[in-house]
Amino acid sequence: GESVGLHLPTLSVQEGDNSIINCAYSNSASDYFIWYKQESGKGPQFIIDIRSNMDKRQGQRVTVLLNKTVKHLSLQIAATQPGDSAVYFCAETFRGRRLYFGRGTQLTVWP
Amino acid sequence: ETGVTQTPRHLVMGMTNKKSLKCEQHLGHNAMYWYKQSAKKPLELMFVYNFKEQTENNSVPSRFSPECPNSSHLFLHLHTLQPEDSALYLCASSQGGIEGEETQYFGPGTRLLVL
Repeated sequence: GESVGLHLPTLSVQEGDNSIINCAYSNSASDYFIWYKQESGKGPQFIIDIRSNMDKRQGQRVTVLLNKTVKHLSLQIAATQPGDSAVYFCAETFRGRRLYFGRGTQLTVWP
Repeated sequence: ETGVTQTPRHLVMGMTNKKSLKCEQHLGHNAMYWYKQSAKKPLELMFVYNFKEQTENNSVPSRFSPECPNSSHLFLHLHTLQPEDSALYLCASSQGGIEGEETQYFGPGTRLLVL
């Protein structure tokens, strides 16, 4: 069975607002996590990653937070834009072995 | 562009047909993967190749047959498929190795419809 899941299957936000996409994982030994973005008709695209020795990592307009105590991962998107509309997946792995993916959250940005 | 290409992008085939999906990566990676993506389901890992050797077959039916002639190319040969095999088939690559870089880079996928 899958070890990674998502709290909400869909998220709608207004353009300019911040978005928060959540992910729960079950394997406390997982040491590496990745967020992917998948636009319609395309393959998943790497957004940002974080290792288990970190709590937070920032990219361009995106921040990933890792809470190992409750095995929770989140992706924050600042000033959400229409181009951010996509399905977002989290994935986890342990020691570089296979990735386990969640079902994904559909983010819709409306003007 | 992620450096991973897949052809064809769309494929319609009958249950008695034989077809092949092709994947090529230009990233110098050593590991390649096939995934199946069905609606409202998590990505399903099918096969893993590391340095051209198959290291994982995730209980995939024999009507799917992978081939990895070198580290840059990966094929998925299809024969006598079922309508439930209709899905998006994604190829990915990563650095690979014993405990290599885990980040996988995906191609655009092949949208397969089995009639």
